Amino acid sequence: DAGITQSPRHKVTETGTPVTLRCHQTENHRYMYWYRQDPGHGLRLIHYSYGVKDTDKGEVSDGYSVSRSKTEDFLLTLESATSSQTSVYFCAISPGQGPQAQHFGDGTRLSIL
Amino acid sequence: AQTVTQSQPEMSVQEAETVTLSCTYDTSENNYYLFWYKQPPSRQMILVIRQEAYKQQNATENRFSVNFQKAAKSFSLKISDSQLGDTAMYFCAFMKHGTNFGNEKLTFGTGTRLTIIP
Repeated sequence: DAGITQSPRHKVTETGTPVTLRCHQTENHRYMYWYRQDPGHGLRLIHYSYGVKDTDKGEVSDGYSVSRSKTEDFLLTLESATSSQTSVYFCAISPGQGPQAQHFGDGTRLSIL
Repeated sequence: AQTVTQSQPEMSVQEAETVTLSCTYDTSENNYYLFWYKQPPSRQMILVIRQEAYKQQNATENRFSVNFQKAAKSFSLKISDSQLGDTAMYFCAFMKHGTNFGNEKLTFGTGTRLTIIP
Protein backbone atom coordinates (compact mmCIF):
# COMPACT_ATOMS: atom_id res chain seq x y z
CA ASP A 1 0.00 0.00 0.00
CA ALA A 2 1.52 3.31 -1.12
CA GLY A 3 0.04 5.34 1.76
CA ILE A 4 -2.47 7.36 -0.23
CA THR A 5 -5.91 8.18 1.08
CA GLN A 6 -8.60 9.82 -0.98
CA SER A 7 -11.67 11.32 0.60
CA PRO A 8 -14.53 11.04 0.18
CA ARG A 9 -14.74 7.69 -1.62
CA HIS A 10 -18.16 8.48 -3.01
CA LYS A 11 -20.07 11.71 -3.36
CA VAL A 12 -23.33 12.74 -4.96
CA THR A 13 -24.04 16.42 -5.35
CA GLU A 14 -26.04 18.85 -7.43
CA THR A 15 -25.04 21.00 -10.37
CA GLY A 16 -23.66 24.36 -9.32
CA THR A 17 -22.40 23.32 -5.90
CA PRO A 18 -18.72 23.52 -4.94
CA VAL A 19 -16.93 20.23 -4.34
CA THR A 20 -13.51 19.55 -2.84
CA LEU A 21 -11.74 16.23 -3.05
CA ARG A 22 -8.80 15.50 -0.80
CA CYS A 23 -5.70 13.41 -1.39
CA HIS A 24 -3.50 12.66 1.60
CA GLN A 25 -0.16 10.84 1.46
CA THR A 26 2.12 9.52 4.16
CA GLU A 27 5.11 8.91 1.85
CA ASN A 28 6.49 12.46 1.78
CA HIS A 29 6.65 12.24 -2.03
CA ARG A 30 7.28 15.39 -3.98
CA TYR A 31 4.92 14.84 -6.90
CA MET A 32 1.15 14.54 -6.66
CA TYR A 33 -1.40 14.25 -9.45
CA TRP A 34 -5.13 14.36 -10.04
CA TYR A 35 -6.65 12.33 -12.87
CA ARG A 36 -10.17 11.67 -14.00
CA GLN A 37 -11.26 8.38 -15.52
CA ASP A 38 -14.09 8.20 -18.01
CA PRO A 39 -15.22 5.37 -20.29
CA GLY A 40 -13.45 5.52 -23.63
CA HIS A 41 -10.86 8.02 -22.39
CA GLY A 42 -8.66 6.15 -19.98
CA LEU A 43 -7.13 8.40 -17.32
CA ARG A 44 -6.57 12.04 -18.12
CA LEU A 45 -4.44 14.43 -16.09
CA ILE A 46 -6.27 17.36 -14.52
CA HIS A 47 -3.57 19.08 -12.45
CA TYR A 48 -0.35 18.10 -10.81
CA SER A 49 2.02 19.42 -8.17
CA TYR A 50 5.80 19.24 -7.94
CA GLY A 51 6.05 20.76 -4.49
CA VAL A 52 4.28 22.83 -1.88
CA LYS A 53 2.46 25.65 -3.65
CA ASP A 54 3.90 24.52 -6.99
CA THR A 55 1.18 23.30 -9.31
CA ASP A 56 0.54 23.11 -13.03
CA LYS A 57 -2.28 22.27 -15.40
CA GLY A 58 -2.85 18.99 -17.14
CA GLU A 59 -4.81 18.31 -20.31
CA VAL A 60 -8.32 18.65 -18.82
CA SER A 61 -7.92 21.43 -16.24
CA ASP A 62 -10.88 23.65 -17.20
CA GLY A 63 -13.37 23.90 -14.33
CA TYR A 64 -10.89 22.61 -11.74
CA SER A 65 -8.49 24.22 -9.32
CA VAL A 66 -5.97 22.71 -6.92
CA SER A 67 -4.04 23.66 -3.85
CA ARG A 68 -1.12 22.19 -1.99
CA SER A 69 -0.26 23.96 1.22
CA LYS A 70 1.43 20.93 2.80
CA THR A 71 3.52 18.16 1.30
CA GLU A 72 1.02 15.53 2.35
CA ASP A 73 -2.20 17.10 1.06
CA PHE A 74 -3.35 17.90 -2.46
CA LEU A 75 -6.87 19.28 -2.86
CA LEU A 76 -8.95 19.30 -6.02
CA THR A 77 -11.81 21.79 -6.16
CA LEU A 78 -14.72 22.04 -8.54
CA GLU A 79 -15.88 25.61 -7.97
CA SER A 80 -19.28 25.05 -9.56
CA ALA A 81 -19.84 21.42 -10.43
CA THR A 82 -21.37 20.46 -13.78
CA SER A 83 -22.77 17.13 -14.95
CA SER A 84 -19.80 16.74 -17.32
CA GLN A 85 -17.59 16.46 -14.26
CA THR A 86 -19.29 13.25 -13.17
CA SER A 87 -16.36 10.85 -13.14
CA VAL A 88 -14.03 8.74 -11.06
CA TYR A 89 -11.15 10.83 -9.74
CA PHE A 90 -7.77 9.36 -8.91
CA CYS A 91 -4.91 10.85 -6.99
CA ALA A 92 -1.39 9.60 -7.61
CA ILE A 93 1.99 10.24 -6.04
CA SER A 94 5.55 9.81 -7.18
CA PRO A 95 8.92 10.30 -5.47
CA GLY A 96 10.52 11.96 -8.47
CA GLN A 97 11.13 12.04 -12.16
CA GLY A 98 12.23 9.20 -14.34
CA PRO A 99 11.04 5.63 -14.22
CA GLN A 100 9.58 5.80 -10.76
CA ALA A 101 6.05 4.59 -11.14
CA GLN A 102 3.16 6.64 -9.97
CA HIS A 103 1.18 5.02 -7.18
CA PHE A 104 -2.54 5.58 -7.13
CA GLY A 105 -5.20 6.06 -4.49
CA ASP A 106 -8.42 4.07 -4.56
CA GLY A 107 -10.39 6.74 -6.38
CA THR A 108 -13.40 8.92 -5.65
CA ARG A 109 -16.63 8.32 -7.53
CA LEU A 110 -18.29 11.70 -8.00
CA SER A 111 -21.81 12.00 -9.37
CA ILE A 112 -23.24 15.41 -10.23
CA LEU A 113 -26.97 15.47 -10.78
CA ALA B 1 2.12 15.93 -27.58
CA GLN B 2 2.25 12.23 -27.02
CA THR B 3 -0.59 9.85 -27.83
CA VAL B 4 -1.11 6.27 -26.72
CA THR B 5 -3.40 3.93 -28.61
CA GLN B 6 -4.87 0.65 -27.42
CA SER B 7 -6.81 -0.76 -30.33
CA GLN B 8 -8.41 -3.70 -28.51
CA PRO B 9 -11.24 -2.46 -26.29
CA GLU B 10 -12.03 -5.97 -25.04
CA MET B 11 -10.39 -9.38 -25.07
CA SER B 12 -11.11 -12.72 -23.50
CA VAL B 13 -9.03 -15.85 -23.11
CA GLN B 14 -9.30 -19.23 -21.44
CA GLU B 15 -7.57 -19.71 -18.13
CA ALA B 16 -3.95 -20.93 -18.47
CA GLU B 17 -3.63 -19.61 -22.01
CA THR B 18 -1.35 -16.82 -23.17
CA VAL B 19 -2.72 -13.46 -24.24
CA THR B 20 -1.09 -10.40 -25.78
CA LEU B 21 -2.41 -6.86 -25.37
CA SER B 22 -1.37 -4.28 -27.94
CA CYS B 23 -0.23 -0.71 -27.40
CA THR B 24 1.20 1.79 -29.85
CA TYR B 25 2.32 5.32 -29.15
CA ASP B 26 3.34 8.39 -31.03
CA THR B 27 6.16 10.63 -29.87
CA SER B 28 9.06 12.63 -31.19
CA GLU B 29 11.06 11.95 -28.04
CA ASN B 30 13.99 9.58 -28.07
CA ASN B 31 14.14 8.88 -24.34
CA TYR B 32 11.02 7.91 -22.44
CA TYR B 33 9.39 5.30 -20.25
CA LEU B 34 6.48 2.99 -20.86
CA PHE B 35 4.22 1.35 -18.32
CA TRP B 36 1.40 -1.14 -18.09
CA TYR B 37 -1.11 -0.64 -15.30
CA LYS B 38 -3.83 -3.07 -14.26
CA GLN B 39 -7.20 -2.00 -12.88
CA PRO B 40 -9.22 -4.90 -11.44
CA PRO B 41 -12.91 -4.53 -10.55
CA SER B 42 -11.81 -3.13 -7.18
CA ARG B 43 -10.82 0.00 -9.13
CA GLN B 44 -7.24 0.08 -7.82
CA MET B 45 -4.53 1.07 -10.30
CA ILE B 46 -1.67 -1.39 -10.01
CA LEU B 47 1.67 -1.15 -11.80
CA VAL B 48 2.33 -4.33 -13.77
CA ILE B 49 5.56 -3.62 -15.60
CA ARG B 50 7.75 -0.76 -16.84
CA GLN B 51 10.25 -0.32 -19.68
CA GLU B 52 12.94 2.29 -20.23
CA ALA B 53 13.22 3.17 -23.91
CA TYR B 54 17.02 3.16 -23.85
CA LYS B 55 17.05 -0.47 -22.77
CA GLN B 56 16.90 -2.94 -25.62
CA GLN B 57 16.09 -5.86 -23.37
CA ASN B 58 12.39 -6.44 -22.88
CA ALA B 59 11.15 -6.17 -19.30
CA THR B 60 9.78 -9.24 -17.54
CA GLU B 61 7.92 -9.63 -14.26
CA ASN B 62 7.01 -13.23 -13.53
CA ARG B 63 4.18 -14.17 -15.94
CA PHE B 64 4.15 -10.69 -17.49
CA SER B 65 6.51 -9.62 -20.24
CA VAL B 66 6.61 -6.94 -22.88
CA ASN B 67 7.59 -6.81 -26.52
CA PHE B 68 9.09 -3.36 -26.97
CA GLN B 69 9.69 -2.34 -30.58
CA LYS B 70 11.09 1.19 -30.46
CA ALA B 71 11.26 1.79 -34.19
CA ALA B 72 7.66 0.66 -34.61
CA LYS B 73 6.59 2.53 -31.45
CA SER B 74 4.93 -0.59 -30.16
CA PHE B 75 4.74 -1.86 -26.58
CA SER B 76 2.68 -5.02 -26.18
CA LEU B 77 2.04 -6.91 -22.95
CA LYS B 78 2.10 -10.70 -22.87
CA ILE B 79 0.47 -12.56 -20.02
CA SER B 80 1.47 -16.21 -19.79
CA ASP B 81 -0.47 -18.92 -17.97
CA SER B 82 -3.35 -16.53 -17.45
CA GLN B 83 -5.23 -16.71 -14.16
CA LEU B 84 -8.70 -15.64 -13.09
CA GLY B 85 -7.13 -12.85 -11.04
CA ASP B 86 -5.78 -11.33 -14.24
CA THR B 87 -9.29 -10.24 -15.17
CA ALA B 88 -9.03 -6.46 -15.26
CA MET B 89 -8.76 -3.36 -17.39
CA TYR B 90 -5.20 -2.86 -18.61
CA PHE B 91 -3.80 0.56 -19.42
CA CYS B 92 -0.67 1.38 -21.37
CA ALA B 93 1.02 4.65 -20.38
CA PHE B 94 3.85 6.87 -21.62
CA MET B 95 6.18 9.23 -19.75
CA LYS B 96 8.83 11.51 -21.21
CA HIS B 97 12.36 11.35 -19.90
CA GLY B 98 14.10 14.42 -18.61
CA THR B 99 14.52 16.80 -15.74
CA ASN B 100 12.20 19.53 -16.93
CA PHE B 101 9.04 19.95 -14.93
CA GLY B 102 6.21 18.32 -16.77
CA ASN B 103 8.26 15.39 -17.92
CA GLU B 104 6.89 13.29 -15.10
CA LYS B 105 3.36 13.30 -16.46
CA LEU B 106 1.76 10.09 -17.64
CA THR B 107 -0.27 9.82 -20.84
CA PHE B 108 -2.63 6.86 -20.82
CA GLY B 109 -4.28 4.80 -23.50
CA THR B 110 -8.00 4.10 -23.35
CA GLY B 111 -7.56 0.62 -21.95
CA THR B 112 -8.25 -3.00 -22.84
CA ARG B 113 -10.77 -4.94 -20.78
CA LEU B 114 -9.41 -8.46 -20.35
CA THR B 115 -11.60 -11.32 -19.16
CA ILE B 116 -10.12 -14.66 -18.16
CA ILE B 117 -12.63 -17.45 -18.71
CA PRO B 118 -12.58 -20.42 -16.29
